[in-house]
Amino acid sequence: GAGVSQSPSNKVTEKGKDVELRCDPISGHTALYWYRQSLGQGLEFLIYFQGNSAPDKSGLPSDRFSAERTGGSVSTLTIQRTQQEDSAVYLCASSRPIRTSGGSSYNEQFFGPGTRLTVL
Amino acid sequence: SQELEQSPQSLIVQEGKNLTINCTSSKTLYGLYWYKQKYGEGLIFLMMLQKGGEEKSHEKITAKLDEKKQQSSLHITASQPSHAGIYLCGADRNAGGTSYGKLTFGQGTILTVHP
Repeated sequence: GAGVSQSPSNKVTEKGKDVELRCDPISGHTALYWYRQSLGQGLEFLIYFQGNSAPDKSGLPSDRFSAERTGGSVSTLTIQRTQQEDSAVYLCASSRPIRTSGGSSYNEQFFGPGTRLTVL
Repeated sequence: SQELEQSPQSLIVQEGKNLTINCTSSKTLYGLYWYKQKYGEGLIFLMMLQKGGEEKSHEKITAKLDEKKQQSSLHITASQPSHAGIYLCGADRNAGGTSYGKLTFGQGTILTVHP
């Protein structure tokens, strides 16, 4: 079946412009995550959506960053007034809960290939 | 400060050699994930450990979580060029028995395997 897809794969923009990054999760996955990966910071959590619950936005670095998830499926990460420090690879992941034999559960995340954002 | 420390930062081995990558936390780990990433690609889930002393294996890769749940190791036996990539550990801080997957990651270990 299809995995997580992201578009565009590469985005070059000028400082101060707004950008939108798209994520198509695996069908049926209720959870969706956005991460950012850069050389200096490693892989950072940005935002998490679970079903119809309010998203966990605790990882968003500033109010220039926002994300939506429409209809519990596709998600868009928007960065307004981009800055050079926003340059990074933005990764999206989706997951479903997996229950263990011990009664606990975890989310096995499937990652998309990422969008490489370059802000000039 | 970085919550998860991975060591080594990079590793170069000859094909066929065994190797170990470590992931250490100053806080208790309630869910420890191991991922592999190849350049230009997303992360591939390898294994997830929750219980102290737990050990899981998949093909030639074995991951362990220590009893105190503050350190995990990833061991590759008889390495192959296909094992090359970046290995990342990720920690879930949730203590309620359910891991939501909102992870804090280590800086990664770059593995090179020479044929």
